[in-house]
Amino acid sequence: AQSVSQHNHHVILSEAASLELGCNYSYGGTVNLFWYVQYPGQHLQLLLKYFSGDPLVKGIKGFEAEFIKSKFSFNLRKPSVQWSDTAEYFCAVNARTGNQFYFGTGTSLTVIP
Amino acid sequence: DTEVTQTPKHLVMGMTNKKSLKCEQHMGHRAMYWYKQKAKKPPELMFVYSYEKLSINESVPSRFSPECPNSSLLNLHLHALQPEDSALYLCASSQGLLRANSGNTIYFGEGSWLTVV
Repeated sequence: AQSVSQHNHHVILSEAASLELGCNYSYGGTVNLFWYVQYPGQHLQLLLKYFSGDPLVKGIKGFEAEFIKSKFSFNLRKPSVQWSDTAEYFCAVNARTGNQFYFGTGTSLTVIP
Repeated sequence: DTEVTQTPKHLVMGMTNKKSLKCEQHMGHRAMYWYKQKAKKPPELMFVYSYEKLSINESVPSRFSPECPNSSLLNLHLHALQPEDSALYLCASSQGLLRANSGNTIYFGEGSWLTVV
């Protein structure tokens, strides 16, 4: 079955630590890849997206993600997290054959001051 | 910029009530969506409208009834809901339908928090 996996369900980091959240998908064809963030009590916001071109994508708030086609991965990174990065992070994929977004299960990030 | 507006932000309704959630976008997007999200879970697709026609219904119970009066508006009519229907209901839109290489991104509204008592 087609799926999007986020292996880290809950991550706890201290401020200034580096972050990497994993995202793997199982579609074999062309995909578009996204990371969304949802701060407590707020709506989903687009962090970054990959459609084509440079596999290293830079987003807002210092986040970046790297598309590695051979690994079916699109991991999210940030070199130094802040307390304000505490949120739920969702990876999402839409595939050539699909007409909807497939969300990963989400990763809850807690940053300790 | 990108803006999907949802009203009301909070709704409490009884199991016998009839209420509606409303969504509006003025980005010229032709695809609109309803998602349901439980706490700390990913959004689950409910309905997709494309050019004001229902394109996808993800086997949603008939107590949820979508309506797309025009290309900017999307409603979700609620009737005889159950307490387990309490959730955040998210509206979203995209310029066109979501296909890889389409370049389309989906934009979400802030959601309507629904509590069924």
